[in-house]
Amino acid sequence: DTGVSQNPRHKITKRGQNVTFRCDPISEHNRLYWYRQTLGQGPEFLTYFQNEAQLEKSRLLSDRFSAERPKGSFSTLEIQRTEQGDSAMYLCASGGDNQPQHFGDGTRLSIL
Amino acid sequence: AQSVTQLDSQVPVFEEAPVELRCNYSSSVSVYLFWYVQYPNQGLQLLLKYLSGSTLVESINGFEAEFNKSQTSFHLRKPSVHISDTAEYFCAVPQEGTYKYIFGTGTRLKVLA
Repeated sequence: DTGVSQNPRHKITKRGQNVTFRCDPISEHNRLYWYRQTLGQGPEFLTYFQNEAQLEKSRLLSDRFSAERPKGSFSTLEIQRTEQGDSAMYLCASGGDNQPQHFGDGTRLSIL
Repeated sequence: AQSVTQLDSQVPVFEEAPVELRCNYSSSVSVYLFWYVQYPNQGLQLLLKYLSGSTLVESINGFEAEFNKSQTSFHLRKPSVHISDTAEYFCAVPQEGTYKYIFGTGTRLKVLA
């Protein structure tokens, strides 16, 4: 069990730039989740996939955000035209039937 | 909609003392409940889960939590804490009808020497 892997661990970028994060889930898990966590808060749900289908998106996920899971394995989360308010920890989790969600170490995004 | 309340944002406690971190939830259906722990600059690690069966669940590092349906609580306890238990602890419940989790705001446990 290699766990959930996220890359990069840290991303610093200028406001207005696009960024992309990658998540590799536990291989036997069919569901993959993205959450966002800001300082002093618990994770907030962004979106989730079952296999390659994106089944739910939060209202937090503005038009500048897009997530994909093209082959039902790894997933990417892209943020276009980043804003100061996008600074946060982006967490990926995976899970399966009767399996609790397992989290990666996250990608910390800092917008200059 | 379901919600999770962690009333204590910070809990300082001396090493080897007992601790209880409180979690209350709201739900009208069968409940699964989870505790996660987050160390600095890391993701969340599953600490405990309640899915069904015995209302008292235990972790391998001495934590336990008890599901209390009448009080809608799932408090986390440890009889004797260590410095290494210093971390943030989150209680979570699946949103009804979906697979996403609703998290509490977290409790920062600080163990003092």
